[in-house]
Amino acid sequence: EAGVAQSPRYKIIEKRQSVAFWCNPISGHATLYWYQQILGQGPKLLIQFQNNGVVDDSQLPKDRFSAERLKGVDSTLKIQPAKLEDSAVYLCASRDPGETQYFGPGTRLLVL
Amino acid sequence: QQPVQSPQAVILREGEDAVINCSSSKALYSVHWYRQKHGEAPVFLMILLKGGEQKGHEKISASFNEKKQQSSLYLTASQLSYSGTYFCGTEVGYTGFQKLVFGTGTRLLVSP
Repeated sequence: EAGVAQSPRYKIIEKRQSVAFWCNPISGHATLYWYQQILGQGPKLLIQFQNNGVVDDSQLPKDRFSAERLKGVDSTLKIQPAKLEDSAVYLCASRDPGETQYFGPGTRLLVL
Repeated sequence: QQPVQSPQAVILREGEDAVINCSSSKALYSVHWYRQKHGEAPVFLMILLKGGEQKGHEKISASFNEKKQQSSLYLTASQLSYSGTYFCGTEVGYTGFQKLVFGTGTRLLVSP
């Protein structure tokens, strides 16, 4: 079974630029999550989708972050404009119904 | 609220045992344990559900004290491959939309 796919794996941008991340969940997983993980900390939930609907986006900085999951499969997370404090690893995860979440390899973002 | 893990870090020699604790201020429905190696995504180890059900890794065991809102992960006869950062993810109440809040993390180093 293929795992959660993410791209790109690494991204370096300057502050005030925009960036987008892509995630393809495990086939059949209706629930998809985006997390932000700052170095030395645990993953922090940004947004949770159930199919193509948003379940929880309470911790998403909506003035600069946006996410969508068209057709209930792939998802993109966008930051516009980026700030220095957005430097982190952005993890996508999908959930096996009745089980737990499985994470993708993540995208390491460095904002200069 | 973020669950608190203890200890923050532990160093073991190969073959020794370790216990990692996860404590929440809220009543828990489930606890999920993950291990993350440097530069990699968190990998699922075990899930403990309210009522005693457990699913996960064969060589790693865990406990879930619902009354104390605590979980412990037991690593016995540690191997070099056990090195990494361990996170607990806690789920408060069952809503049908699983949402995990991850702990502060415990760094484990196993030396030869």
